[in-house]
Amino acid sequence: SQQGEEDPQALSIQEGENATMNCSYKTSINNLQWYRQNSGRGLVHLILIRSNEREKHSGRLRVTLDTSKKSSSLLITASRAADTASYFCATGQYNQGGKLIFGQGTELSVKP
Amino acid sequence: DADVTQTPRNRITKTGKRIMLECSQTKGHDRMYWYRQDPGLGLRLIYYSFDVKDINKGEISDGYSVSRQAQAKFSLSLESAIPNQTALYFCATSGDSGLYNEQFFGPGTRLTVL
Repeated sequence: SQQGEEDPQALSIQEGENATMNCSYKTSINNLQWYRQNSGRGLVHLILIRSNEREKHSGRLRVTLDTSKKSSSLLITASRAADTASYFCATGQYNQGGKLIFGQGTELSVKP
Repeated sequence: DADVTQTPRNRITKTGKRIMLECSQTKGHDRMYWYRQDPGLGLRLIYYSFDVKDINKGEISDGYSVSRQAQAKFSLSLESAIPNQTALYFCATSGDSGLYNEQFFGPGTRLTVL
């Protein structure tokens, strides 16, 4: 079964708006990662947040992690048409090495 | 050149055929993974290998086998392909430095089983 569940499944916004995607998970984790996938291509790592961190920034990306609620959010500010892609959260658990469990993804469409 | 390569990129085959998907990496990583992606289901782990002598089943290993020929090469085989194995297959690698490791993905192989 999937560890991560993402919400919404699809999101359509206008260029310049902010996009927020949420991820919930079920078991304890040691890190949570967000990946981006352009249509039919391989996933690209965006950002990693450790279980003892609450917020992390990278350029226009802001990730939060609430381990008490077992949830994370990815905020993309001032979105661009080039941000159109699917976004996946993935969780890494203790004693699992580098193995990750991926959510189903959020499909983001940014209209110019 | 790409760090993680997959061959073939597209393949159409018939039910019952044996097929091998290959993955090579130049990142020097010990850890390699095979995933399949189906619409609406995200990525599901088929097999993973933490070094040449270590092979582990993932979430959906039935109907698949793997071979880790070298640190840089990890192959996925479908012994007798069936239509519900039609999917997009990804190979990925990660380093082994500590607990926090991002994964690096290949471009994917689109497999169609008729």
